[in-house]
Amino acid sequence: GESVGLHLPTLSVQEGDNSIINCAYSNSASDYFIWYKQESGKGPQFIIDIRSNMDKRQGQRVTVLLNKTVKHLSLQIAATQPGDSAVYFCAENDGGGFKTIFGAGTRLFVKA
Amino acid sequence: DAGVTQSPTHLIKTRGQQVTLRCSPKSGHDTVSWYQQALGQGPQFIFQYYEEEERQRGNFPDRFSGHQFPNYSSELNVNALLLGDSALYLCASSPRELDEQYFGPGTRLTVT
Repeated sequence: GESVGLHLPTLSVQEGDNSIINCAYSNSASDYFIWYKQESGKGPQFIIDIRSNMDKRQGQRVTVLLNKTVKHLSLQIAATQPGDSAVYFCAENDGGGFKTIFGAGTRLFVKA
Repeated sequence: DAGVTQSPTHLIKTRGQQVTLRCSPKSGHDTVSWYQQALGQGPQFIFQYYEEEERQRGNFPDRFSGHQFPNYSSELNVNALLLGDSALYLCASSPRELDEQYFGPGTRLTVT
C-alpha cells in the first residue's frame, strides 16, 4: 500500500553543511511533485514544488531536482540550520487525478 | 489572514462510536482534502472536496465520509470507530486542485 514503515530513515548533518534528501516516486504518470517539512505536533508545511516539465527549481536555500527517467526526486538544503530539523516528505500528484501520495519521510537532524 | 484551522485539537473516543472533525480552509481556497497520518508514517489521502462534491477518494472504507459547505469549510465523519483509526487527521486546502496545499495542524484522534 502507500504506507511507510515506522522507522524513518534519518539524516544527520552539521550546522552549516548542505543536506540532500532523496525520494523515489512510484507513478510515471505523476506530473506534480512537492516537498513538505513536518515539525513535531504540526501539519506538513509546503517547501517547494516542481512540475514534470522541469528538472530543477530553486527557492530560498532549497533546490528540488527531478529525474523522470529513474523516477527520483531530491531536496537540497543549503547551509542547514538547527531550525531545519524536522521530518521531510516528498509527495506526488497522480497525474490526471486530485490525489496526493506521500512518500516515506526522512528525519533530518541538524547538529549545532 | 488565518491559515487552515481544524477542530478539535484532540479527541478521545471509544470503539464503535462516531466522530466528526471540522476544517476551515485558508481564505480564498475552495478545495479541501483530508488525510490520515498514523504515527511515524506519511499522510494518506482520504478524499478531496470541491464545489461541495467528493471529487476523488483514497483507499478508505465507507465508514469515512465527508461534507463540504457553501463557505468551503468541511467535515470528516468516521463511523463505527476502530482502534486502528487512531491517528492525526489533517485537512489541507488549495485554491485549485493542483496548487500548493496548505495543511492545518491536525486533529489527534485516539480510539480506546
